[in-house]
Amino acid sequence: GENVEQHPSTLSVQEGDSAVIKCTYSDSASNYFPWYKQELGKRPQLIIDIRSNVGEKKDQRIAVTLNKTAKHFSLHITETQPEDSAVYFCAATYPLRGGSNYKLTFGKGTLLTVNP
Amino acid sequence: GAVVSQHPSWVICKSGTSVKIECRSLDFQATTMFWYRQFPKQSLMLMATSNEGSKATYEQGVEKDKFLINHASLTLSTLTVTSAHPEDSSFYICSASRDAGNTIYFGEGSWLTVV
Repeated sequence: GENVEQHPSTLSVQEGDSAVIKCTYSDSASNYFPWYKQELGKRPQLIIDIRSNVGEKKDQRIAVTLNKTAKHFSLHITETQPEDSAVYFCAATYPLRGGSNYKLTFGKGTLLTVNP
Repeated sequence: GAVVSQHPSWVICKSGTSVKIECRSLDFQATTMFWYRQFPKQSLMLMATSNEGSKATYEQGVEKDKFLINHASLTLSTLTVTSAHPEDSSFYICSASRDAGNTIYFGEGSWLTVV
């Protein structure tokens, strides 16, 4: 099965600085890599995702990079703001038998704190 | 976008009783849904894969007789925690994906407290 490692477990930055969270995965069949932001007691919210045929994707202050060879993917948040403070999870999916549904494996999460 | 709804959001039950949590896909058919458990300050741990019309696939270490999953229709999966104990207190959350792609949609989650 898939194994996803995420680092760091906690990250504290000053407002305006950049934050980088890194993940590695083990299953070369994984083909979709979403990132989720979760506030306490709420459902994870998808913030950005990348598929295995793309190396980088950007959406305003958030970007994700993927290195398929090394099985690494990273989340980059620029110009951080206090409201970015939350737990961020990376995940990797690979297709279930039949290919029409996907199994999602999460990293352990990163608690990001943006200090004003 | 797709919406997955989960009910109840909060439930308190006595030890030894059973609790049912529902997960519905509101605007798409989900042949597969997933159930996760999340303890405080921890990641989401996959409990089982719920397959419409067939038995659920449980992850290693998850007791299938304790966590009963039923996926009777393409829009509804239920998780029943049987003979609940305080250590079952947790945040339970479901997710579903459309067949056409692998974007995952999460329910709102259910906080279970067993007293």
